[in-house]
Amino acid sequence: GNSVTQMEGPVTLSEEAFLTINCTYTATGYPSLFWYVQYPGEGLQLLLKATKADDKGSNKGFEATYRKETTSFHLEKGSVQVSDSAVYFCALIPDGSSNTGKLIFGQGTTLQVKP
Amino acid sequence: DAGITQSPRHKVTETGTPVTLRCHQTENHRYMYWYRQDPGHGLRLIHYSYGVKDTDKGEVSDGYSVSRSKTEDFLLTLESATSSQTSVYFCAILDTSSYNEQFFGPGTRLTVL
Repeated sequence: GNSVTQMEGPVTLSEEAFLTINCTYTATGYPSLFWYVQYPGEGLQLLLKATKADDKGSNKGFEATYRKETTSFHLEKGSVQVSDSAVYFCALIPDGSSNTGKLIFGQGTTLQVKP
Repeated sequence: DAGITQSPRHKVTETGTPVTLRCHQTENHRYMYWYRQDPGHGLRLIHYSYGVKDTDKGEVSDGYSVSRSKTEDFLLTLESATSSQTSVYFCAILDTSSYNEQFFGPGTRLTVL
């Protein structure tokens, strides 16, 4: 079946450090891939997305590239800030299910950035 | 902001009691979803709706029912709450004008004692 696996957290970084959060998926065909972010006490917000292989999603300094050959969608940021502290979720919509929007989430990775 | 509200925002109840959570949207989106969030599991889909009176089960639907009698409201009911249903519940809508981006409500924290 379809699934998403994220690296275990929490991830603790100093301000201005480089961030990578790994995400791999299991799915047939070409799923759509997403990163959502959840700030403390809030609902999830879409951070970025990619809908076909080799697409790069980017937003607010974050980037992720859809790698079909490695079934991965790793999240990166060159210089994190304290305000980036949040929980990050990788997710997919299976190929052929885009009209229903049924998301499948990874377990989430907590990022803590210290000044 | 997609105009999604959830009520109540917090609730404590006892095992065996019925509980209804409400999701309200103001923008006439066709698709609505209920998820639960638990540590180590991310978010898991409980039920979703693709129109008034049209609903379907998600990954973890046992012990939950839903109803959608009008476009703007999607209700999640726990007929007889159990401690395993202690969780944070999120409602979401699908914005088909924004490549099927889902927008989430603020969540309801439910504790079943």
